[in-house]
Amino acid sequence: NAGVTQTPKFQVLKTGQSMTLQCAQDMNHEYMSWYRQDPGMGLRLIHYSVGAGITDQGEVPNGYNVSRSTTEDFPLRLLSAAPSQTSVYFCASRMAGGNYEQYFGPGTRLTVT
Amino acid sequence: QQQVKQSPQSLIVQKGGISIINCAYENTAFDYFPWYQQFPGKGPALLIAIRPDVSEKKEGRFTISFNKSAKQFSLHIMDSQPGDSATYFCAATDTGNQFYFGTGTSLTVIP
Repeated sequence: NAGVTQTPKFQVLKTGQSMTLQCAQDMNHEYMSWYRQDPGMGLRLIHYSVGAGITDQGEVPNGYNVSRSTTEDFPLRLLSAAPSQTSVYFCASRMAGGNYEQYFGPGTRLTVT
Repeated sequence: QQQVKQSPQSLIVQKGGISIINCAYENTAFDYFPWYQQFPGKGPALLIAIRPDVSEKKEGRFTISFNKSAKQFSLHIMDSQPGDSATYFCAATDTGNQFYFGTGTSLTVIP
C-alpha cells in the first residue's frame, strides 16, 4: 500500500492564483481530512469528509474548498491564493468507526508571494 | 482559542534521560488523546494514544499519563535516544472528526 499520497510536494503561487492540492489514499478509509501546519501553531483542521459526497468545515475553512467524489481522493482547492495561505498542508485518513488512528501524508509546502 | 495547550515549546535532554511533555484541555467531551511524532520534512505519525477510562498507557519506552480530573495528559519518553529527536504533538477529539492539536514540542536528545 502507498498509504496517503499528496501532490505536489512543493508549490509557489502568486497572490490571486488558484490551484488544487491532491490527496489520495489506497486504504479504503472513509474519513479524510486536510490540515495546515504553521510555525508555533500546530496543525489546524481545514476541512474533513466522513465519506464520499460528505464534507464539513474544520477550524480554519475560509479560502479553501473541498469535494469528495470518490473514497480514494480528497482534493483541496485554493480559489484565490493569499500570502496568509503560505503553509505546509497535510492530508490524513482513517477508518470509519471507533478507531481514531489517523495516517498522514508527506505534506505539500505552499508559498504564496 | 487553543483547545489543547502544550508545553514546553522545546526540550533538550541528555541521552538516557526522561523526556516529559505536557498537555491540557478544557473540553470534557474529548475522549481520545493521541500523541504524534514528526520528523523534519515528514508528516506526523501516531506514536501512542489513550482513552480517558485509563490513567496510563505504556508502549515500549513511551508512556501516556492521563489525569481526567485535572484535564491534563503527558507523554513520557524513558531512556531518551538521539533518534527520538523530533517534534511531538498532542491532540484531542470527541467524535473522531475534529482533532485539535497542541502547538508542538521540539525535542533534542544530546548524545
